[in-house]
Amino acid sequence: QQQVKQSPQSLIVQKGGISIINCAYENTAFDYFPWYQQFPGKGPALLIAIRPDVSEKKEGRFTISFNKSAKQFSLHIMDSQPGDSATYFCAASRPSEYGNKLVFGAGTILRVKS
Amino acid sequence: DGGITQSPKYLFRKEGQNVTLSCEQNLNHDAMYWYRQDPGQGLRLIYYSQIVNDFQKGDIAEGYSVSREKKESFPLTVTSAQKNPTAFYLCASSPGLSSYEQYFGPGTRLTVT
Repeated sequence: QQQVKQSPQSLIVQKGGISIINCAYENTAFDYFPWYQQFPGKGPALLIAIRPDVSEKKEGRFTISFNKSAKQFSLHIMDSQPGDSATYFCAASRPSEYGNKLVFGAGTILRVKS
Repeated sequence: DGGITQSPKYLFRKEGQNVTLSCEQNLNHDAMYWYRQDPGQGLRLIYYSQIVNDFQKGDIAEGYSVSREKKESFPLTVTSAQKNPTAFYLCASSPGLSSYEQYFGPGTRLTVT
């Protein structure tokens, strides 16, 4: 059962354009929403994260928009660069008896054309 | 140089053999995790551990086993009972299970033929 749905599966953007990746969740117990960036053959790296009490968080060219009522959040990459070409994963953390665990979306392969 | 190391980067095994993947961290993190990554499916949690000598099953624990004898080490054994073991395996750590951030190692690609 996929608890975090991510779209699109792949995305091609021109250099300088805006890349937008969307995620939706069902479980209202989720209380932390990170985005990870993964280059081929490497482990994912934490990019940016948001809590549900904030509607937007910006770090450099990366922005998370969060809509609690719609149970959706998105990653915006401004001025996209070829070096941003990677797979991006959204995730959500759910509390459990043994601490917080991450549930990941299926990933979006981003290609930025120069 | 702090971080998470996984070895080897590539591993090949014959079907029916058990294989152990290494994960070591020198970040002094309490919590450690193992994930499996398959194309188009994101990361799925196999096992996780909060403290030494304690670990919990994740969402896809069948066919896998772990141990946590030292804080720094969390090896994963892929047993012959795992029906489809070929995948990219990722180890992660976190300061503690009350912490939200997880930091990943470089991964081990296991191929079973």
